[in-house]
Amino acid sequence: ILNVEQSPQSLHVQEGDSTNFTCSFPSSNFYALHWYRWETAKSPEALFVMTLNGDEKKKGRISATLNTKEGYSYLYIKGSQPEDSATYLCAYSNAGGTSYGKLTFGQGTILTVHP
Amino acid sequence: DTEVTQTPKHLVMGMTNKKSLKCEQHMGHRAMYWYKQKAKKPPELMFVYSYEKLSINESVPSRFSPECPNSSLLNLHLHALQPEDSALYLCASSQNNLGSSYEQYFGPGTRLTVT
Repeated sequence: ILNVEQSPQSLHVQEGDSTNFTCSFPSSNFYALHWYRWETAKSPEALFVMTLNGDEKKKGRISATLNTKEGYSYLYIKGSQPEDSATYLCAYSNAGGTSYGKLTFGQGTILTVHP
Repeated sequence: DTEVTQTPKHLVMGMTNKKSLKCEQHMGHRAMYWYKQKAKKPPELMFVYSYEKLSINESVPSRFSPECPNSSLLNLHLHALQPEDSALYLCASSQNNLGSSYEQYFGPGTRLTVT
């Protein structure tokens, strides 16, 4: 069983605040780490796919870092806006055996940005 | 066109019914996925098709039967389901599934209720 843990479970911030959440995953046999944003009544949308230790990716006000040796990734949102309100899911893929090609999702962090 | 479509949006079926869920993409993706998501839980992988061949079956009960008639279409045939199978069924696609290093594009899901 591959454990992918996200924290916090939920977060309430004010518009303009910067925030970050954590995804923890097994550090052995790592292959890829994905971040998705899932707004209510919409489809999950890919934010980033990271494969290398030390990877940093950025898309507008959102960025992510990856540490495969210690098994964690951070997602940062700078200057949160109400439209950033969503569930943020991370998903881990490992490199071997019967799990090859499979994504295991964390429980998600529910972000609410108040105007 | 970066859309994955799923039909129907909602489905209510009895335990003796046979129904099918349909998923379609026209992005030229060669990997397609079925996920099951129960309330307040992360999506769980059910099946992966790669180049129209079943490559991963996560020990899903035989009352769920996937089919990939061509590279754009993915079906999930349902028969003799149980009430605990009620969930949101998500379809996704990616360029291919080599170790899941490609982002997945998700459909909006089919909300299934088994009575």
